[in-house]
Amino acid sequence: GQNIDQPTEMTATEGAIVQINCTYQTSGFNGLFWYQQHAGEAPTFLSYNVLDGLEEKGRFSSFLSRSKGYSYLLLKELQMKDSASYLCAVRWGGYQKVTFGTGTKLQVIP
Amino acid sequence: DAGVTQSPTHLIKTRGQQVTLRCSPKSGHDTVSWYQQALGQGPQFIFQYYEEEERQRGNFPDRFSGHQFPNYSSELNVNALLLGDSALYLCASSLKDLQGSGANVLTFGAGSRLTVL
Repeated sequence: GQNIDQPTEMTATEGAIVQINCTYQTSGFNGLFWYQQHAGEAPTFLSYNVLDGLEEKGRFSSFLSRSKGYSYLLLKELQMKDSASYLCAVRWGGYQKVTFGTGTKLQVIP
Repeated sequence: DAGVTQSPTHLIKTRGQQVTLRCSPKSGHDTVSWYQQALGQGPQFIFQYYEEEERQRGNFPDRFSGHQFPNYSSELNVNALLLGDSALYLCASSLKDLQGSGANVLTFGAGSRLTVL
């Protein structure tokens, strides 16, 4: 089966940098997604990693190490609006099934 | 460009009843996946439809069934509702990546919040 672990909650200060880690164990790994979900809203796509290394998109970066089953999402210059849940999800299998972790609730404080 | 639309947005049912949730995928998408999200949890995969067939299924009982229509829209049906079925039901659409090389980003609808009393 698939096992995805990420911290339940994190708190960080406005303007700071925060790293949200995700570890996974899965068969037939095809790629890893990060989604952002504000309370009461649908998840929205942030990033996708299929190869090892760092992908940067503005204030957000995502890293993947396939050999270690490890990824992180790095958020720079935190803003209050970044307070949300961050979902790590792995794509696997022949039909590209996507399985989500339980999410990390990030609270940004002034 | 309309994204994924779901209906109804909220509904209340009682135990034992049946419910049907509807989803229209994003324009150009041909694959629909359904997820159940309990409060404070990540989305749990229910099943995926492509070419009007159920291609994959998560660990959900047969009370959960679905359908995909020729226009790619989809329905999720839940029979014999239990209190534990109370959750946000998310529909996500994507484009089938036949080459296996793309991201196949899931685009989510706003969800249907089901409360079972």
